[in-house]
Order: sequence, then structure tokens, then C-alpha cells
Amino acid sequence: AQKITQTQPGMFVQEKEAVTLDCTYDTSDQSYGLFWYKQPSSGEMIFLIYQGSYDEQNATEGRYSLNFQKARKSANLVISASQLGDSAMYFCAMREGLGGSYIPTFGRGTSLIVHP
Amino acid sequence: GAGVSQSPSNKVTEKGKDVELRCDPISGHTALYWYRQSLGQGLEFLIYFQGNSAPDKSGLPSDRFSAERTGGSVSTLTIQRTQQEDSAVYLCASSLWQREAETQYFGPGTRLLVL
Repeated sequence: AQKITQTQPGMFVQEKEAVTLDCTYDTSDQSYGLFWYKQPSSGEMIFLIYQGSYDEQNATEGRYSLNFQKARKSANLVISASQLGDSAMYFCAMREGLGGSYIPTFGRGTSLIVHP
Repeated sequence: GAGVSQSPSNKVTEKGKDVELRCDPISGHTALYWYRQSLGQGLEFLIYFQGNSAPDKSGLPSDRFSAERTGGSVSTLTIQRTQQEDSAVYLCASSLWQREAETQYFGPGTRLLVL
């Protein structure tokens, strides 16, 4: 079974609007970390935001926020006020504790296109 | 250095030749990871190092792939007798420690094309 599922292969959003990229995960560990990365066409993976499983508040980093719903095992990325430079692939990743030997696993990604 | 660096940035080789890919992690990072990303795909885990040892080699696709890390720093991924299906982007990442809260930081990748 996939540990990280990103169900949206592609998303389109208009500039200045908000967009939500979905991510669900599967783990039996109590302690785990969730990450989002952006990969522009240049290819480099850029870290965006982190949420720990014990964090009670949703993580925020500038225009990025993580909508963490632990009971539903979802960790959706919300990008507010989209910019043209946000066009990229977005990957959700999870790092489990002892049960997962701490090796991060990645989803298949969502391609986001922001148009003017 | 300031970030993870990888070399070469691009490599074109002929089928059957050996290639070496290099990764220089962020200074002080003890954990180092290699991933492979085929065109339009997600990241496929290959191997990880904690210090100089590789506790997990489970992701290496065949015995043509090997990796080493020396001095707890630079790592080399070697692909012997390359095949066309080895064509991909090889990404290296490092993190301070190997635990669930640690962020991985990625290098720019090496784009390998096997003709």
C-alpha cells in the first residue's frame, strides 16, 4: 500500500487565488513528520513546510500553510495568493519513526500551473 | 558549503559504461540519501548513509549500483555497465540527523542519459 497518496496529478489556479493540494498518508506510528517540497522545472527539490505528528497547530510558512487533520490522516498544502512562480511540481513526504526506519517516503506529486 | 552540491550536473554516457555521481552534503549533516527520479515520476529511494555506514541498501535496483561515503561527508554513487533504463535524475539529500522531525535538503541533481 502506498504510504503517501497525492490524488491530483495536475491542478490549475488563477494568479492571486488560493489553492489546496491534497495529501493523505498511511502509518501506524505515533511519531512522524510530514513535509512538502516544491520542484520547479529546474529540478531542485525545495523544502516548503513541516508538520510534526504531535503538533496541535497547523504549520504556516509565509503563503504556505499545512491543513493537518490527524484523524483523517491528511496533510493538505494550502498556497494563498498564488503567484506565477508557484508553477511547479509539489511533493508530499512522510518520515516515520521506528516503524519506518526514518526513511522519508514521497508521493507521486501534483503539478500546479498558475495562470495570469 | 551553503547547500548540497552534486556533480556532474549532466552526464551522457554510452550503454555499458560505468558512471560515478558525486554528492557533497551540507557540512555537519550526518545523514545522506540518494534518490532516483525518472521523467515525470516521484522519488525512488536508493540508499541512505548514517555517517559512513549504509544501514539501508534496500532501494538499490540491482548489483550494478553501489555507493560509498567517506569521512562522513562526500558520497559517490556508482552505476556499472549502465543500461538505458538507468537514465533519470539522481538526487542527493542530506539531513542533520536521521529522525522524523529532520528536514532533508536536496541538491540540484545529476541528469544521467544513457544512449
